[in-house]
Amino acid sequence: QKEVEQNSGPLSVPEGAIASLNCTYSDRVSQSFFWYRQYSGKSPELIMSIYSNGDKEDGRFTAQLNKASQYVSLLIRDSQPSDSATYLCAVNEGYSSASKIIFGSGTRLSIRP
Amino acid sequence: NAGVMQNPRHLVRRRGQEARLRCSPMKGHSHVYWYRQLPEEGLKFMVYLQKENIIDESGMPKERFSAEFPKEGPSILRIQQVVRGDSAAYFCASSSGTGVNTEAFFGQGTRLTVV
Repeated sequence: QKEVEQNSGPLSVPEGAIASLNCTYSDRVSQSFFWYRQYSGKSPELIMSIYSNGDKEDGRFTAQLNKASQYVSLLIRDSQPSDSATYLCAVNEGYSSASKIIFGSGTRLSIRP
Repeated sequence: NAGVMQNPRHLVRRRGQEARLRCSPMKGHSHVYWYRQLPEEGLKFMVYLQKENIIDESGMPKERFSAEFPKEGPSILRIQQVVRGDSAAYFCASSSGTGVNTEAFFGQGTRLTVV
């Protein structure tokens, strides 16, 4: 059973600090990695995609990928109360368009003012 | 430029009835995923479809559940003889499916309540 693992949280971070969210995956052939944000009662929203080892930055968000360690993370700088949500790590488990995207169970992030 | 459209947004069914959930993908997208989410839980993969073809249905319960994505019209997730345990949010996502690095975008979901 291919898996994507996340710490369920809640992760509490003071406003203005850096929030660090982590994810591990079991299938070494995984090629594509995504972070989604889901507010309570809403649908998931794609916020970052990463495909190569290293860092990818977009505004206050930085995704980090280490395929050798099967580890992907999301850093949120200058955390804001509006960042409080559940963050879902997602992995395209294979190497073809027939491969499906599987999700971790999510980490609840709470930014305290 | 409509995104992924799901309807209905809320659906109430009595035990034993049928539920039909519809998903129209984003323009230009030919691949659709269906996921189920129970309260306070993560997204569970159900099925992955391309037009007129089921690519992966490994997450679908063996009985009562079926999915299709016809050449014309939306993708349909069908649940026959619903039970209380089917109450959940059902999300559809679409992608262009043109390569492994394709991103998937979600609809607003259908909240199914079985009474």
